[in-house]
Amino acid sequence: EIVMTQSPATLSVSPGERATLSCRASQSVSSNLAWYQQKPGQAPRLLIYGASTRATGIPARFSGSGSGTEFTLTISSLQSEDFAVYYCQQYTYWPYTFGQGTKLEIK
Amino acid sequence: EGQLVESGGGLVQPGGSLRLSCAASGFTFSSYDWHWVRQVTGKGLEWVSAIGTAADTYYPDSVKGRFTISRENAKNSLYLQMNSLRGEDTAVYYCARAGYYGSGIVDYWGQGTLVTVSS
Repeated sequence: EIVMTQSPATLSVSPGERATLSCRASQSVSSNLAWYQQKPGQAPRLLIYGASTRATGIPARFSGSGSGTEFTLTISSLQSEDFAVYYCQQYTYWPYTFGQGTKLEIK
Repeated sequence: EGQLVESGGGLVQPGGSLRLSCAASGFTFSSYDWHWVRQVTGKGLEWVSAIGTAADTYYPDSVKGRFTISRENAKNSLYLQMNSLRGEDTAVYYCARAGYYGSGIVDYWGQGTLVTVSS
């Protein structure tokens, strides 16, 4: 099973600033990496797939990069609605696996 | 706009069984892969099962032999039969659609149904 490790566990950032979240895979998953956002009491929401392609309707301030084992989600200028938990997920190997999440909180 | 509505969650004793259902609307149900993903309250996400358009099924070791995923295209419905339930199966179970952007990429989620395994 592929282990996905996210860092940091919690990230404190001020509104308007940039946030950089990291995700590492225990072995190469090529570019088969997605990012999701989850707010309390809600289901996850797809942000990025293919490591760098935004899903329909996702604002341009969200960007993804990386391939192989190292991936990054960047939020260029944080808005109040962006404070949430973010998960990465690999879909190269079954079972598909998620990282443990990064909580993005207001500084 | 599509919608997924799960049902069937509840309280069950260890060793018991439960069947979850997911009713899909607004989609061409038969064209997509479907998944069940669970989340322990306050914790991360775990894939529980998947079923492809050809009814091929996939399970992680944690539920293999105990859970069975199935689909009924004529009813736009997805199911998860859960047997021999354990305390560690307690979680919110989400029905999820994949395949629009590619296999394994979930772009639609239900609201979730809570399964509690406890005596």
